[in-house]
Amino acid sequence: KQEVTQIPAALSVPEGENLVLNCSFTDSAIYNLQWFRQDPGKGLTSLLLIQSSQREQTSGRLNASLDKSSGRSTLYIAASQPGDSATYLCAVFVSGTYKYIFGTGTRLKVLA
Amino acid sequence: EAQVTQNPRYLITVTGKKLTVTCSQNMNHEYMSWYRQDPGLGLRQIYYSMNVEVTDKGDVPEGYKVSRKEKRNFPLILESPSPNQTSLYFCASSTMAGAKNQPQHFGDGTRLSIL
Repeated sequence: KQEVTQIPAALSVPEGENLVLNCSFTDSAIYNLQWFRQDPGKGLTSLLLIQSSQREQTSGRLNASLDKSSGRSTLYIAASQPGDSATYLCAVFVSGTYKYIFGTGTRLKVLA
Repeated sequence: EAQVTQNPRYLITVTGKKLTVTCSQNMNHEYMSWYRQDPGLGLRQIYYSMNVEVTDKGDVPEGYKVSRKEKRNFPLILESPSPNQTSLYFCASSTMAGAKNQPQHFGDGTRLSIL
């Protein structure tokens, strides 16, 4: 059964730091992996989607990589800002079932 | 504006009283899904639909029903709600291009309390 883990569960960094959030999954049979951002009391906003045949995707200060063989993805945030404070979630779209499995998220706080 | 709309946003009700949470999207998306979010457990998929009249169970379908009679609507039905269904619920949709679907768009959530 597919399981998705995100480490660390919470992270606090000073403004300006580059940081890496981790996502690991147990079964490499996925169609894609998606990173989301969730602000308190809000829905999820899609940040980046990496198809299973891709290695990375970039959007502005965000870069996500995917290593299917090792079951890992990382979200790199460059030059962090207080506005980046949110919970970041990853999710895999499971091959054959068309189900989504989410990690429990990393709660990020960027201090001014 | 492209959006996924859920109603109601908040609901407090009692055990056993049937309720429906509506979800509508205006993007002509094939794929729609319901999730519940609970502290420490993250988001878990309840049901999903690949297209009209095509639905399937997610990881936590017990106690819920869905229907997909029209492409834009995907209501979540709790026939006999119980307190363990108290949660924050999200509806989401995305387009499908074969097996390579596109990013999911989420609604703002429905906070459901069952007493």
